[in-house]
Amino acid sequence: QLQQSGPALVKPSQTLSLTCSISGDSVSNNRAAWIWIRQSPSRGLEWLGRTYYRYKWYNDSSESLNSRITVNPDTSKNQFSLHLNPVTPEDTAVYYCARKTWYGNTWYIDLWGQGIPVTVSS
Amino acid sequence: DTVMTQTPLSLSVTPGQPASISCKSSRSLVHTDGQTYLYWYLQKPGQPPQLLIYEVSSRFSGVSDRFSGSGSGTDFTLKISRVEAEDVGVYYCMQGIHPLTFGGGTRMEIK
Repeated sequence: QLQQSGPALVKPSQTLSLTCSISGDSVSNNRAAWIWIRQSPSRGLEWLGRTYYRYKWYNDSSESLNSRITVNPDTSKNQFSLHLNPVTPEDTAVYYCARKTWYGNTWYIDLWGQGIPVTVSS
Repeated sequence: DTVMTQTPLSLSVTPGQPASISCKSSRSLVHTDGQTYLYWYLQKPGQPPQLLIYEVSSRFSGVSDRFSGSGSGTDFTLKISRVEAEDVGVYYCMQGIHPLTFGGGTRMEIK
């Protein structure tokens, strides 16, 4: 299960920070990747970034976000986070965390957080 | 990034009748490993997307056999053999060659 937390409202130019707490799995699972996806009427479903462990940690994110985003694991709390800075009104969306899992020689995104609607407005 | 185009944008189906959704990608989805990473999701109101089909035609655990996927290369189709009321929502295709991208969605309603 993935449980998301974070603010519903963020002011322009500030930082959006979201957390996804994992239960029933480990953020260090070397057959999983932990991802962030957002959904808005204007942009649809959009992949934002990921973190995953393959004997060391890897992180990458969408080039369209112009290095505004970081995705990090927190092994002590078994969770991962998203930080988006600075935000603009165009970042208004429902944000989802999700798990991408490998089973044998295939993979799929099979687990999602509940989603957090975030509005960027002054 | 790979662009995914779904048609139709919406459809209205009588219960018991079939339905079909098309998804076309801007490039071949055959990965260098030989797999084709095309997925179908259904998003019901107020919920995150739920996985229906993975790798073009494999049904996810618990998904009704009324759902089937087919296609290859750049052209893919999701078919529902007999639509039921619980199938309402928005259907999305997603391609899995990094970075992931989604189609714009097809909204299905029941007549």
